[in-house]
Amino acid sequence: DAGVIQSPRHEVTEMGQEVTLRCKPISGHNSLFWYRQTMMRGLELLIYFNNNVPIDDSGMPEDRFSAKMPNASFSTLKIQPSEPRDSAVYFCASSLGTSGSTGELFFGEGSRLTVL
Amino acid sequence: GNSVTQMEGPVTLSEEAFLTINCTYTATGYPSLFWYVQYPGEGLQLLLKATKADDKGSNKGFEATYRKETTSFHLEKGSVQVSDSAVYFCASKGSNYKLTFGKGTLLTVNP
Repeated sequence: DAGVIQSPRHEVTEMGQEVTLRCKPISGHNSLFWYRQTMMRGLELLIYFNNNVPIDDSGMPEDRFSAKMPNASFSTLKIQPSEPRDSAVYFCASSLGTSGSTGELFFGEGSRLTVL
Repeated sequence: GNSVTQMEGPVTLSEEAFLTINCTYTATGYPSLFWYVQYPGEGLQLLLKATKADDKGSNKGFEATYRKETTSFHLEKGSVQVSDSAVYFCASKGSNYKLTFGKGTLLTVNP
């Protein structure tokens, strides 16, 4: 079975450009999470969707970040305009159950973003 | 809120050495506890978990016991292999959706 699929795996862009990261969760999972990983801050939860609805976006750094989940099989994380401090690995994860109840998250391989 | 503190790395061991990575948590109530592992270039994957006090989670030779009295969930393995080289994350989860991760501990095992 396919796991969580993220694209692109690597993105290098210039400051000010728009970046769109994509995620396809595991089929049947109803919770989706976007995380950011940096050396300085570790793993940070950016946003959590349940049944395609954003439940908690308190981790989104600022208005330059937005996330959508138009259907159960697709989500995007957009940064516009991008800045060098956004350079990080962005992970998408999905899980099954109400409120991700089991605690077992299935992670994608991540999208490594470098903003020059 | 919940928080997780794990020992800072990096940890470097020789093959067949004993491994301990310390993890303590603070939480209201009784969280579920987890260890996740991240191999180079990959996403995190669940290694083991424990959902109540005195439970022992185990997988692939790794073990961790949920100790309520010391609010700890230390990861141990009796004999590490080169293939165990990875970053290990301790995590806790309360009654809601939020999984709180520690900062991760890099383990390098040399042959």
